[in-house]
Amino acid sequence: SQQGEEDPQALSIQEGENATMNCSYKTSINNLQWYRQNSGRGLVHLILIRSNEREKHSGRLRVTLDTSKKSSSLLITASRAADTASYFCATDADGNNRLAFGKGNQVVVIP
Amino acid sequence: GAGVSQSPSNKVTEKGKDVELRCDPISGHTALYWYRQSLGQGLEFLIYFQGNSAPDKSGLPSDRFSAERTGGSVSTLTIQRTQQEDSAVYLCASSPPWSPLHFGNGTRLTVT
Repeated sequence: SQQGEEDPQALSIQEGENATMNCSYKTSINNLQWYRQNSGRGLVHLILIRSNEREKHSGRLRVTLDTSKKSSSLLITASRAADTASYFCATDADGNNRLAFGKGNQVVVIP
Repeated sequence: GAGVSQSPSNKVTEKGKDVELRCDPISGHTALYWYRQSLGQGLEFLIYFQGNSAPDKSGLPSDRFSAERTGGSVSTLTIQRTQQEDSAVYLCASSPPWSPLHFGNGTRLTVT
């Protein structure tokens, strides 16, 4: 079943600004992952946060997880034109690595 | 090293015909996944192979869809008697056990 559900936003921001997108899910999870997809390409893994973690950083990315609200957010700081892509969250409900993906957030960074 | 390779990259077929989509995973990855992505939508899980275990076929939308993975490596997704609603991008991914997925660039299937 589909679990990850991003807020249905299409963000358009200026280069250098921060971009935030959210994801909610319905059932308990083992971990939550964020992926990026450039147009016409496959998805690329960005970051994984486990259910016992609340925040994680990787370069310009910051992910938070609130298991009580069943939600996660992805923050991209100091955005660049190359960050233009669709961003998907995916949940692993039972640790078997079978991921349920959300519909994705399209982000456009204007140079 | 080489990533996940899918072929063909594009496939146009007539309604009612059968199609086969191929996925070459990253060498040594024990898990292989098929997802379907319709225009502007998220990814719909289709099937999951993990090592020698029986595949998880719970996402296959109908009995027209089947997949196999030979020798724990290459996988083929077969769609019989294609319908227009089968038009989508079919994405394959592979991973080591309990690790993030590595995706191919997909096969864009158009059923006319």
